[in-house]
Amino acid sequence: QTVVTQEPSLTVSPGGTVTLTCTSGTGPVTSGFFPTWFQQKPGQAPVTLIYSTANKHSWTPARFSGSLLGGKAALTLSGAQPEDEADYYCLGYSGGAWVFGGGTKLFVL
Amino acid sequence: QVQLVQSGAEVKSPGASVKVSCTASGHTFTDDYIHWVRQTPGQGLDWMGLISPRGGGTTYAHKFQGRITLTGDMSTNTLYMELSGLNSDDTAVYYCVKEGRSQTWDYWGQGTLVTVSS
Repeated sequence: QTVVTQEPSLTVSPGGTVTLTCTSGTGPVTSGFFPTWFQQKPGQAPVTLIYSTANKHSWTPARFSGSLLGGKAALTLSGAQPEDEADYYCLGYSGGAWVFGGGTKLFVL
Repeated sequence: QVQLVQSGAEVKSPGASVKVSCTASGHTFTDDYIHWVRQTPGQGLDWMGLISPRGGGTTYAHKFQGRITLTGDMSTNTLYMELSGLNSDDTAVYYCVKEGRSQTWDYWGQGTLVTVSS
């Protein structure tokens, strides 16, 4: 099974910019990995922010964007808000299965 | 507004089976999939498998093959996840998630806590 790796934790200052990344153990992440990003706050179900690399839902705040960066999937948060402190999970499709990354705990401090 | 509403919390004994339901409102299934994802206490998300509600086709994660069965009843717009041979490691919150066309993961159920305890 493919291993998907994310930074365990990151810290961003309020108003700052941070990029979370998602790496596949099988090689460079491409659009065929269909990178998808979720936000989860304590005690709540995850919320889908980005699907298929860079597509946003109607409920996705404009400050979040998705991309491919240097062989990785990336989630960039520009203008961090205190309410963005949460766990972020990457998901991708590889080898006929969907695989989650281990998640990144994002602190806004 | 699409909503996925899951059944309530369950407490099961080791070796038992559990069946969790996920009922969709505000949506008619066409080219969608429903995925099942679990989260053990304090841990990350784990993909369990998917079902095509309209066609009934399923794909299971290797980790759960032999223990998981995904089914659906389109007359009630309800999907089911049954997990057998429960042990304490299966104590987790189980979620259903909808995937629409073009790998559009969107709506999540509220989650169902399954506790396995003797």
